[in-house]
Amino acid sequence: DTGVSQDPRHKITKRGQNVTFRCDPISEHNRLYWYRQTLGQGPEFLTYFQNEAQLEKSRLLSDRFSAERPKGSFSTLEIQRTEQGDSAMYLCASSSNPGADTQYFGPGTRLTVL
Amino acid sequence: AQSVSQHNHHVILSEAASLELGCNYSYGGTVNLFWYVQYPGQHLQLLLKYFSGDPLVKGIKGFEAEFIKSKFSFNLRKPSVQWSDTAEYFCAVNVGNTGKLIFGQGTTLQVKP
Repeated sequence: DTGVSQDPRHKITKRGQNVTFRCDPISEHNRLYWYRQTLGQGPEFLTYFQNEAQLEKSRLLSDRFSAERPKGSFSTLEIQRTEQGDSAMYLCASSSNPGADTQYFGPGTRLTVL
Repeated sequence: AQSVSQHNHHVILSEAASLELGCNYSYGGTVNLFWYVQYPGQHLQLLLKYFSGDPLVKGIKGFEAEFIKSKFSFNLRKPSVQWSDTAEYFCAVNVGNTGKLIFGQGTTLQVKP
């Protein structure tokens, strides 16, 4: 069990650029979640996948955000036309049981938009 | 909408002091409750969780939490803190079958040696 991994760990970009983050969940975990955390706040839910199906998206996920999990394994989160307000830590978590299991978090990708 | 409230934003204690961090949630149905901890430079990790049964749950590193349904509370406790407990603590709730977590804003605990 290598845990949840995320890449890159840090990303600095200029406003208006597109960025893509990757999350590799714990193998055989069929649920994958994305959260966003800003300074001084707890993580906020963005979206989640059951295998390759994206089952729910938060209102926080504007049309500039898109997430995929094409083969039900790793997932990508893309932000188009980044804005300074997108600067945050983007966290990925996975779990093996929908309702009552523990979510295991990755180290996060810290995005800074200049 | 469901929400989680953590009353203490920043707590400073001396080693060996007792700790209690408050957590209240707003939801009238069945909930699963969690406390996560984030040590400096590390990722979020689970301290303890409550799904059902005994409302007093024990977690790692001597932490425990009590679920009081009538008060919609899930307070975290530790009888004697150590310097290594310095971290940020998050209370979280999941509701329904999605499994998505709703987090409180966190409490920063600083333990002085």
